[in-house]
Amino acid sequence: DAKTTQPPSMDCAEGRAANLPCNHSTISGNEYVYWYRQIHSQGPQYIIHGLKNNETNEMASLIITEDRKSSTLILPHATLRDTAVYYCIVRDDAGKSTFGDGTTLTVKP
Amino acid sequence: DSGVTQTPKHLITATGQRVTLRCSPRSGDLSVYWYQQSLDQGLQFLIQYYNGEERAKGNILERFSAQQFPDLHSELNLSSLELGDSALYFCASSAPSGRARETQYFGPGTRLLVL
Repeated sequence: DAKTTQPPSMDCAEGRAANLPCNHSTISGNEYVYWYRQIHSQGPQYIIHGLKNNETNEMASLIITEDRKSSTLILPHATLRDTAVYYCIVRDDAGKSTFGDGTTLTVKP
Repeated sequence: DSGVTQTPKHLITATGQRVTLRCSPRSGDLSVYWYQQSLDQGLQFLIQYYNGEERAKGNILERFSAQQFPDLHSELNLSSLELGDSALYFCASSAPSGRARETQYFGPGTRLLVL
């Protein structure tokens, strides 16, 4: 499985954009990049995913580099409720998902 | 609310015992995944079932087993429990295609405490 590397923690001011990086240098051609977040000990919540192209939905934007070795999750206007652990995952059709340690994002007033 | 339900929410038991955790996937989903989250190891993929058949296996101990029933609910059986099995156990389900690239939706988890 491709591994992901994320910074352990980040801070962001409320109302500003939060940019969370992820390295996945060993990603292969058929692997998707997924982002989830976990608030306290709740079940992880799906945010967004992509293969090659940048993606946007109502929650966030996902920017994937052309070589697909890294990506950035963008929360355009962070709120206090966005404080959570954010996981970047790569997944292929084999069914295994490797969750790393994630990034603890703290949104501050 | 993801639509995935798990019971019980909390479980306290003793070492050496056996417990069963239950998961009901979202309506229409055929795949069920089990994960373990302990304090020192993060989220670990255990096993996946698709329409009753085992599809993928991760770091699941031999003392643990799972199955998916014809009505698509799944059970994770943990036996000969040890203190280190104390963790949050999450179930997730995904869309009917069964392909791993489908989005997984997670349940609220079962918190297991082994004393």
